[in-house]
Amino acid sequence: EPEVTQTPSHQVTQMGQEVILRCVPISNHLYFYWYRQILGQKVEFLVSFYNNEISEKSEIFDDQFSVERPDGSNFTLKIRSTKLEDSAMYFCASSEHRDNSGNTIYFGEGSWLTVV
Amino acid sequence: AQSVAQPEDQVNVAEGNPLTVKCTYSVSGNPYLFWYVQYPNRGLQFLLKYITGDNLVKGSYGFEAEFNKSQTSFHLKKPSALVSDSALYFCAVRVPMDSNYQLIWGAGTKLIIKP
Repeated sequence: EPEVTQTPSHQVTQMGQEVILRCVPISNHLYFYWYRQILGQKVEFLVSFYNNEISEKSEIFDDQFSVERPDGSNFTLKIRSTKLEDSAMYFCASSEHRDNSGNTIYFGEGSWLTVV
Repeated sequence: AQSVAQPEDQVNVAEGNPLTVKCTYSVSGNPYLFWYVQYPNRGLQFLLKYITGDNLVKGSYGFEAEFNKSQTSFHLKKPSALVSDSALYFCAVRVPMDSNYQLIWGAGTKLIIKP
């Protein structure tokens, strides 16, 4: 069964450093997302991406965050200058169609980011 | 504001017994409802969804959920629990035609199935 894959599974970084989380969405999917889950808290939406541009972003997704689809398969989340509060599990997801069609969003296994 | 509530942090069930994980929602409009499961050190796996039609939805691993519009609930059920069902379960909602396309998540319910 096709799946969303994410790397790294776990990364430890020093505060202020740049981090890039990588994702390979399901191959025929057109919509891509990043969500995050701070330990013990709810899953939160960060950003959705379609046709090489951001479709929607949450308040969390400030200027420190950026997303990119550098080639035909990868979808990346960059945190420019990490803060302690960025420590979380980051989930990449993809769907065949846009959210409001009722389409299922499929998630990767997550990248656990620890900022020290 | 759209919201999802999972009133139980943890549910304990003996193996072989039926299980229910509760979810209620508050949205303006007709919701799309989802259940995801997260096994230890794994990602979020899709279980089932309600979009329209029959209120009883069947999904993966023998799970089902019933959409109840009057009670604004979408409880997850399974007739006979397995130890391997032990995991974290998340309910999520999305409102079609809303300008916000993201899923709104519940806090999660830890399901523990005891042998």
